[in-house]
Amino acid sequence: KQEVTQIPAALSVPEGENLVLNCSFTDSAIYNLQWFRQDPGKGLTSLLLIQSSQREQTSGRLNASLDKSSGRSTLYIAASQPGDSATYLCAVRFQAGTALIFGKGTTLSVSS
Amino acid sequence: GAGVSQSPRYKVAKRGQDVALRCDPISGHVSLFWYQQALGQGPEFLTYFQNEAQLDKSGLPSDRFFAERPEGSVSTLKIQRTQQEDSAVYLCASSRGGNTEAFFGQGTRLTVV
Repeated sequence: KQEVTQIPAALSVPEGENLVLNCSFTDSAIYNLQWFRQDPGKGLTSLLLIQSSQREQTSGRLNASLDKSSGRSTLYIAASQPGDSATYLCAVRFQAGTALIFGKGTTLSVSS
Repeated sequence: GAGVSQSPRYKVAKRGQDVALRCDPISGHVSLFWYQQALGQGPEFLTYFQNEAQLDKSGLPSDRFFAERPEGSVSTLKIQRTQQEDSAVYLCASSRGGNTEAFFGQGTRLTVV
């Protein structure tokens, strides 16, 4: 069964710290992977899409890496801010023409 | 519109009632996805359309759930004879192509009482 796992389920850090969120997935032959942010009571905001042929993607203070051979992706957040507090979801498209499969998310709390 | 729009934002239904949830995708987006998100969980796939064709409905939990996209634009998710376990947030996403970046709406929070 194709599964996506995110550990830890929750993370608390002080403002200014650099941090890494982890995503692991079964089956290394993925098509692409997308990271989302979800604020309480809201929908999902797309952060980064990384294709299977890519090793990383960057947007501002965010950097997503992909290591298919180990079945892992990481989302690196530099110089964290209280406004970064949210749940971060990793979603994998295992095959072309199929839907994204989501992890359960990591809830991040950044304290000032 | 600029983004994916879902209505209503909130719906309270009595057990046994039928409900219809609407999704307006981003203009020109070919692909449309429905997901169900329980509290504290990640979204679970329900069904997927490419234009008006429903390509995958393997995630629909029972035959009480039905989705359509008759003109390849707006989609409706219908739940018949609602039950308490149907209470969840229903999310809709669209993308330009089947494998491109997906954009989500705000969701519809369904509460069955």
